[in-house]
Amino acid sequence: GEDVEQSLFLSVREGDSSVINCTYTDSSSTYLYWYKQEPGAGLQLLTYIFSNMDMKQDQRLTVLLNKKDKHLSLRIADTQTGDSAIYFCAESENYGQNFVFGPGTRLSVLP
Amino acid sequence: GAGVSQTPSNKVTEKGKYVELRCDPISGHTALYWYRQSLGQGPEFLIYFQGTGAADDSGLPNDRFFAVRPEGSVSTLKIQRTERGDSAVYLCASSVGTRGMGNTEAFFGQGTRLTVV
Repeated sequence: GEDVEQSLFLSVREGDSSVINCTYTDSSSTYLYWYKQEPGAGLQLLTYIFSNMDMKQDQRLTVLLNKKDKHLSLRIADTQTGDSAIYFCAESENYGQNFVFGPGTRLSVLP
Repeated sequence: GAGVSQTPSNKVTEKGKYVELRCDPISGHTALYWYRQSLGQGPEFLIYFQGTGAADDSGLPNDRFFAVRPEGSVSTLKIQRTERGDSAVYLCASSVGTRGMGNTEAFFGQGTRLTVV
């Protein structure tokens, strides 16, 4: 079946860049997403990338997709304490529908 | 309302009891999804409604789980004979579009934390 994997923890210093990695198995994944989950809050869509792209940049966020290796990464430039959260990688065949999520990476930003 | 609303925010129930979890989607959203997030894991898809009908219920774990959306707006997830393993956060999401349409972001509610004791 479909599977999405992520490392579970990442710690960085404030001001450094964070890179969160994800691998997936489903070749038919058309859309790949990064969601952010803060304590007591719902999942928030940060960004997504269509599978025919290999990079997408949105302000401090850069998403890289290696479709051949089924590897997705999220880079957060100038990481701030407010970026501390759990980051979920997800994939779907149709945009916004029936996501398969990874286990989440807990990002801790140290002052 | 402004966002997806889920009630209650927390529910504690005894093993074997029946529970209902409610989701109020964003007004006008025709698509509605239920996910289950167990501790330390990512959300898992349960069921997808397009309007009043369940378009995909392949994620429901067994026949103790059932969901309805009788008027195409509010949805209720129903769990019979609850078990301790049902303890999780149940998330609801809604979006504007139908299957196959592009650019329909799914917006998530804050979830209902269900604890079965």
